[in-house]
Amino acid sequence: GEQVEQLPSILRVQEGSSASINCSYEDSASNYFPWYKQEPGENPKLIIDIRSNMERKQIQGLIVLLDKKAKRFSLHITDTQPGDSAMYFCASGAKLTFGGGTRLTVRP
Amino acid sequence: GGIITQTPKFLIGQEGQKLTLKCQQNFNHDTMYWYRQDSGKGLRLIYYSITENDLQKGDLSEGYDASREKKSSFSLTVTSAQKNEMAVFLCASSIGLGGQNTLYFGAGTRLSVL
Repeated sequence: GEQVEQLPSILRVQEGSSASINCSYEDSASNYFPWYKQEPGENPKLIIDIRSNMERKQIQGLIVLLDKKAKRFSLHITDTQPGDSAMYFCASGAKLTFGGGTRLTVRP
Repeated sequence: GGIITQTPKFLIGQEGQKLTLKCQQNFNHDTMYWYRQDSGKGLRLIYYSITENDLQKGDLSEGYDASREKKSSFSLTVTSAQKNEMAVFLCASSIGLGGQNTLYFGAGTRLSVL
């Protein structure tokens, strides 16, 4: 099945700085790439997604980039706040295979 | 809006025991999923179902059974609990299968095996 690699697994940044998470996938037929955020003790929730007909999408402080040739996509969180501290998951493929997750901690 | 309800929230079992986890959704979604999440790690697909009475194996189906007897409910059975096993089982649903459809997750069932 589809394999999705997500890096880094742990990310610590200072409040106000940017955080970047990278994912790579194998299935060249994948055309939808969502990102889910899971806050401590909560269930994962969709925060942003991008379809294969786009290279860049921004919703407020969240930016997603997609490079279909390289089979990579990334999430960039600008001006991070303590409330951004959570687990983040990328996903790809027809059955939505998830990456291993990134635990982001934003230090005040 | 809809909601996904998973029961129980916490499940403590004995080694070798058969354990059943339940999930109900009122989104009227066709597709439902069971994922396993180990501490601080990613989500691995155990089973999914694209409609009532349909069952499809995910990457982690060995050691599990599932049942989709109604559109609104999807249950997962751990056929023989493994000693010291600890994980969170997340149920999810979507309008259609995976890609391009938002998954809505339940709050999870936390399993501990003594």
